[in-house]
Amino acid sequence: DAKTTQPPSMDCAEGRAANLPCNHSTISGNEYVYWYRQIHSQGPQYIIHGLKNNETNEMASLIITEDRKSSTLILPHATLRDTAVYYCIVRVETSGYSTLTFGKGTMLLVSP
Amino acid sequence: SQTIHQWPATLVQPVGSPLSLECTVEGTSNPNLYWYRQAAGRGLQLLFYSVGIGQISSEVPQNLSASRPQDRQFILSSKKLLLSDSGFYLCAWSRVSYNSPLHFGNGTRLTVT
Repeated sequence: DAKTTQPPSMDCAEGRAANLPCNHSTISGNEYVYWYRQIHSQGPQYIIHGLKNNETNEMASLIITEDRKSSTLILPHATLRDTAVYYCIVRVETSGYSTLTFGKGTMLLVSP
Repeated sequence: SQTIHQWPATLVQPVGSPLSLECTVEGTSNPNLYWYRQAAGRGLQLLFYSVGIGQISSEVPQNLSASRPQDRQFILSSKKLLLSDSGFYLCAWSRVSYNSPLHFGNGTRLTVT
């Protein structure tokens, strides 16, 4: 799987949009971009994933650049409960299964 | 809906003792199953994955083993724990379909003393 680069930490004010960047300059054409988050002492939670088009669900939006070398996860109205470590992962399906390689992620601190 | 259960939530075991962690998935059939470990201050490391009953693949040779005795049951074991086995153990499942997300349980925090 291609490696990703994320800032180690970010701050966001409650109610504001949180924009979390991720660089994946070596991404291959068949690799998807996945985002997970991990709240302290819990298992990682799936947020969203995409290939090349922008994606939106009830949790967040994913913006992928046209060259697919970077992406941004957007939490439109951050709350205190969004404080967590956010992981950006690129992943390719192989042989009917697929695993995830987690890096160190971005620690997002949402403050009142 | 699908749910994944892991137990126990926390465990303290002495060095040299055996280990058995269990994970079960409900609401789906023939899932892919995974065991991950997260050491303190580090990222998640894939330990084992399984695409079917009795089929186990190991990513990292170590003091642990995994078994899948039933379709939706995944067990992580050790005959003799080491101090370095301490960590946060996470079970996950995914559908057998192209780019299906992994869904994680709430983990077991293991402390080996």
